[in-house]
Amino acid sequence: GEDVEQSLFLSVREGDSSVINCTYTDSSSTYLYWYKQEPGAGLQLLTYIFSNMDMKQDQRLTVLLNKKDKHLSLRIADTQTGDSAIYFCAEGEANQAGTALIFGKGTTLSVSS
Amino acid sequence: DSGVTQTPKHLITATGQRVTLRCSPRSGDLSVYWYQQSLDQGLQFLIQYYNGEERAKGNILERFSAQQFPDLHSELNLSSLELGDSALYFCASSVAGGPGNEQFFGPGTRLTVL
Repeated sequence: GEDVEQSLFLSVREGDSSVINCTYTDSSSTYLYWYKQEPGAGLQLLTYIFSNMDMKQDQRLTVLLNKKDKHLSLRIADTQTGDSAIYFCAEGEANQAGTALIFGKGTTLSVSS
Repeated sequence: DSGVTQTPKHLITATGQRVTLRCSPRSGDLSVYWYQQSLDQGLQFLIQYYNGEERAKGNILERFSAQQFPDLHSELNLSSLELGDSALYFCASSVAGGPGNEQFFGPGTRLTVL
C-alpha cells in the first residue's frame, strides 16, 4: 500500500537553512504536499508540488521533487523560531471529487536562538 | 482561521459509549474529509464525502460511520468506543474542483476515552 516516510526530528539554529526530507511509494501520486502543524493547532497547507515539476519556490520555502527516487524535500531558508512546528509530507491523487491524503508521521522541527 | 469549524473541541467519554463529532466545511466547499491523529498511528485518512455521497474510504473501523447532510455539514459517529480510539479527529474541506484540491483543516476534536 501507499506509504510516506519522514525523519522524526530536526534541530537547527535560527538563521540556518532547514531541510526536511520525505520518501513516498505511490508512483501514481499527482500532487505532493507539505503541511505545518503548530502545537495545539490544526494543519496548515504550506505548499504543494505537481508531480510533473522538479522544483517550486515560494518565498523562504523551496520544494524539490525527485520523481525517479520518489523523494521530496522542503527547504526553509533563514529559519526562525516561529518555524518550530511539526511538518507533514503527504501524497495524494487528485480526482474529480477531491484528494485523499496519505501523510507521513511528521518531522518535528526545533529552532534554537 | 481556515473557515472549517468542528464541535466539540474536547470530548471525554467512557469505553463502550457512542459519540458524534460535527464538522462544518468552508463556505462553497463540497467535499469533506475526516482524519484521525494519534501518537502511534500518526495522521490517518478515514473517509471522504462529496456533495452528500461517500467518495473514498481509508482506514475507518466498522464501529465508525459518517455522513454528509444536504447543507454539507458532516458528522462522524464513533460507537463502542475503546481506549485506543482516543485521538485528535480532524475534518478538512475542499472545493473539489481545479488543480491541487487544497484541503483546509479544522482545529480538530480531541476525544479522550477513559
